Amino acid sequence: NVLTQSPGTLSLSPGEGATLSCRASQSVSSSYLAWYQQKPGQAPRPLMYGASTRATGIPDRFSGSGSGTDFTLTISRLEPEDFAVYYCQQYGSSPITFGQGTRLEIK
Amino acid sequence: QVQLQESGPGLAKPSETLSLTCTVSGYSISSGYYWGWIRQPPGKGLEWIGSIYHSGITYYNPSLTSRVTISVDTSKSQFSLRLTSVTAADTAVYYCARGVIGAAGWGHWFDPWGQGTLVTVSS
Repeated sequence: NVLTQSPGTLSLSPGEGATLSCRASQSVSSSYLAWYQQKPGQAPRPLMYGASTRATGIPDRFSGSGSGTDFTLTISRLEPEDFAVYYCQQYGSSPITFGQGTRLEIK
Repeated sequence: QVQLQESGPGLAKPSETLSLTCTVSGYSISSGYYWGWIRQPPGKGLEWIGSIYHSGITYYNPSLTSRVTISVDTSKSQFSLRLTSVTAADTAVYYCARGVIGAAGWGHWFDPWGQGTLVTVSS
């Protein structure tokens, strides 16, 4: 199940809202979709699972939505620490696959 | 809290076997969850290599299945990755992570992750 993330790069300013998209080539069963944040030199940090459930310790400015083949990660008010690369991952079918990532950069 | 730490050689020669170990602390591997390996070539995205259930059942990425073996040693709280016949294309940061199962089935997302270890394949 190929995941395509868009846009490739998103340039925004702190305080603005961000919308990141993840589109699957096949329906993701049971909305088994996760989102991760990765900063340079660090391991990915889980943000969301089950498409819309925040992982432990994730602030509520992060929200996830979607079902079937279209999923969205929304960051309501960007903080300086939110600028990073974001990946989606589906775990509804084998093999587990990741999107190619969206880079969120400071404008 | 659960912590994972990868260890192993940082350099492998083409055609040889890459071997890495992940040591888990703060949780007993035999108590549940999947335990997985994910890699990331420099400057690129993430690729799932495979996962092992605490019972020993394994799932591999079909693109790597002919070269991959994942095993678990519950007595040492470790699980390991072997990748044979490596080439330069296998150069990557290798992460180990705990796999958290969805409500039903085998599918899992990863939390937490180890810090990762860079393995370079070069003669």
